[in-house]
Parts: sequence; structure tokens; C-alpha cells
Amino acid sequence: EVQLLDSGGGLVQPGGSLRLSCAASGFTFASYAMSWVRQAPGKGLEWVSGIGNSGSTTFYADSVKGRFTISRDNSKNTLYLQMNSLRAEDTAVYYCAKGALQFHDYWGQGTLVTVSS
Amino acid sequence: QSALTQPASVSGSPGQSITISCTGTSSDVGGYNYVSWYQQHPGKAPKLMIYDVSKRPSGDSNRFSGSKSGNTASLTISGLQAEDEADYYCSSYTSSTTLVFGGGTKLTVL
Repeated sequence: EVQLLDSGGGLVQPGGSLRLSCAASGFTFASYAMSWVRQAPGKGLEWVSGIGNSGSTTFYADSVKGRFTISRDNSKNTLYLQMNSLRAEDTAVYYCAKGALQFHDYWGQGTLVTVSS
Repeated sequence: QSALTQPASVSGSPGQSITISCTGTSSDVGGYNYVSWYQQHPGKAPKLMIYDVSKRPSGDSNRFSGSKSGNTASLTISGLQAEDEADYYCSSYTSSTTLVFGGGTKLTVL
């Protein structure tokens, strides 16, 4: 059974940093691209970033380019999102998802990031 | 990259069919066969319903179908059931090597 377990969310001040993690199981993690997708409270879905299966190729939405960094450790079956220079508008539930730019067939349960002073 | 355009809400009675549209541009929906649709119940993670315009994940209900004409993709749900009441989102690959979602459509089963 495919499982994606998101973690690392919390309350952070504007300008601060946070690192999200997503532990994957039930599939050959190193064979698949992965993504982060976020959803602000009461709003729709927004794709944030994607990474190829080897980690050598990364993609970002304009809204986070230069502030967020996606990475993966295939030896640990784990996906990461390093978020720097956080803003109030980054407040959202962040989901990791299997797949990058085509479709996402499995999703984590989400982790809430709140940016507030 | 602007969000794809979806109607804010649609409704239908049990047993009926409804269609949700998703309009983009030639740089996303119209340019690639990489449109997917997601169902999201309140407080839950999204669930993939349709990928590559019209393909269904294995084991999923055949009451859900997808299509595309020009810059507009559509999701049709036939034989509406109470459990279909949810938010639905489309997404598409873009020429900027990104992914864009629609604004979402709330489906109400009357």
C-alpha cells in the first residue's frame, strides 16, 4: 500500500524558515518524480514544486522560486521542502504527492504551515 | 501562470449527469494531453479521478469520464450519488514546465 507521511509544519514568523519532510513507502520511491502542492485555508490547490526521480531536475512555481528548495534522499525514501523567507501568503496545508508535472496519483495527509507574528 | 477557469459551483440530483468545465489556453490545456481531475472531500487530501485527459486509475468508478476540446477540458459524472458531493479540481501541464490547477468547483448533490 502506498503511503506518504507529511511532517514538519508549524507556526513560524514572517521571514523565518521551515523544512517539510515526506516519508514514502509502498512503492519504489527512487523510480518516481514527486511534488509539493499547497492549499491556503478555504482556497484551492496550488502546485509548488516538483523533482525528478534522481533529484537532478527540479521545477518551481513563480510564487516560491528563489525561496523554496525541493530535494530528496532516495536512500531514506524521503522528500523535502526547505522554505526560506516565509511570508503570510505561504500559510497553507502542504501536501506531498507522487508525480511531478503530469498527474499525482497518491497524496500525503498534509501538514499545516502558519506564517504569523 | 494564471489558474485554469472552472465554474465555482454545479449541482445535480441523484442519478443525473453533470459536467464541469476547465478552460485554459494553448499553453496549457490546449497544448498538451496532460489534464487531470481531482476530487476533494472536506478535510481530506485530494484523490485522482482522471489523468491524461480521459484515463481512469485502475479500480476507480467508470461513472467519471474526461474529455477535451481545444482549450477546454471537461469532467462528466454520470449517475450522481450523494458521496460525489465534493470539490473538484482540474490541473494541466504548462509550456513553462510547471503545473497549474483550476480554481475548483463545488459539486452539490441535491
